[in-house]
This record gives sequence, C-alpha cells and structure tokens, in this order.
Amino acid sequence: QSALTQPASVSGSPGQSITISCTGTSSDVGGYNYVSWYQQHPGKAPKLMIYDVNNRPSGVSNRFSGSKSGNTASLTISGLQAEDEAVYYCSSYTSSTTLVFGGGTKLTVL
Amino acid sequence: QLQLQESGPGLVKPLETLSLTCTVSGGSISSSDYYWGWIRQPPGKGLEWIGTIYYSGSTYYNPSLKSRVTIFVDMSKNQFSLKLSSVTAADTAVYYCARHLVTIFGVLTRLNWFDPWGQGTLVTVSS
Repeated sequence: QSALTQPASVSGSPGQSITISCTGTSSDVGGYNYVSWYQQHPGKAPKLMIYDVNNRPSGVSNRFSGSKSGNTASLTISGLQAEDEAVYYCSSYTSSTTLVFGGGTKLTVL
Repeated sequence: QLQLQESGPGLVKPLETLSLTCTVSGGSISSSDYYWGWIRQPPGKGLEWIGTIYYSGSTYYNPSLKSRVTIFVDMSKNQFSLKLSSVTAADTAVYYCARHLVTIFGVLTRLNWFDPWGQGTLVTVSS
C-alpha cells in the first residue's frame, strides 16, 4: 500500500488560514469517509484533530476543519496561532481492510 | 480518562524478536466499542500502521509487516502486546499504542481513527 501524498511543508502568518492536502486514490480517500488528521508536536505523540473527514473530537478548536473532494482530503486551519506549528498527518481506511498514513506536512507559523 | 503506556526493551539485536506491551488504564480493554492498535515512526520519518486487535483476538495487520508481526491481548492484565520477529535496523522506530475505532457493518470492517495514543517508546535495533 502506498502512503497518501501530502506536501512536505506549508507556512502562514498568525491570523491567516492554511490548507493541507492529502491525496490518495479511489481505493482509500476517494472511496470512504474514513479520513482522519493528526497533529504532532516535536517529541510528542500524535493527537487526533479531525475524524470521518470533517468531525472534530471534543476539545479540538473549531479553527480546525476538514473536507474532501474526490481523492483529495484537506485540513484547514484558520486564525493561525504559534501553537499550531507542528507536523500534520492524514490517514485513511483502504479497500484492502488496512489503514494508510500520509507522509506528513510540517506547518511553520511565520 | 483513558491512558495507554508502552513498555519493553529499548534495544534489540538484529534478527531477534522485538516485544512490546501496552497497558491500558482508566478503561477496559474488553470494551465492545473499540479495538487496539500499534503504530510506529522511524526517527525523522512518518507514521506507519502496524496492526490492530479486538479483545476477542480478531486482528488486522499491515501487509508489509504481516509475516513478522503478532499482536495479542491479555485481558487479565488489561494489556495488549506486539511481537515483531527478525528485526533489522529498518525497524528502529518510536512505537506507539493507541485505542482504535473500528466500524463494523455486518461483515464489513472499516479501520478508522486512533485516540488516545500512548507516549511512545523508542526501540533501537543494533548489535
């Protein structure tokens, strides 16, 4: 199974909005609404930020939102804050009854 | 509050078997609503799903690791464990355990999100 494709890095200034893409195929992202997004700060475990494409777990800021179009899912962070600087990973269920992650995107808050 | 904690040797010799245990506290591993998973992250690299188990023993494995991986549950200790055989330097990674939501629709299984995660434990493969 191939990893989902994410940009290596994105950046934005405080207060701005950024979007991170996650591209797969019709056998994973495009075929199911089981896309999740995780935030990982250096030396820490990943934290679930979005599940089922566009749902936020309790306690996650509403500045984080998810969407999907075709084989590409997206994570949007609005009102960027310094604390949002981290690596973000997407994941998806696949038709082979497996789970695949994206390669990760490093978000830099300028 | 559910918490997970990985434990096991931090150094394993090449071709030996890596063994890790995840202890679940604040909840029961025999909860009917959740599965339990292992994920790893080589230094400086991305996440890789290893496998997932239900308390009944039903398992799902990453095909790329399936021939070397065994995951099992010890309900009496509220733990689940990972064994990875014939390790090489490529298996050096931080290993995480996590609660895994798996959605079942009749005979259809959908592997979904991980939450919460353990803090992770670094396992180095070296002689």
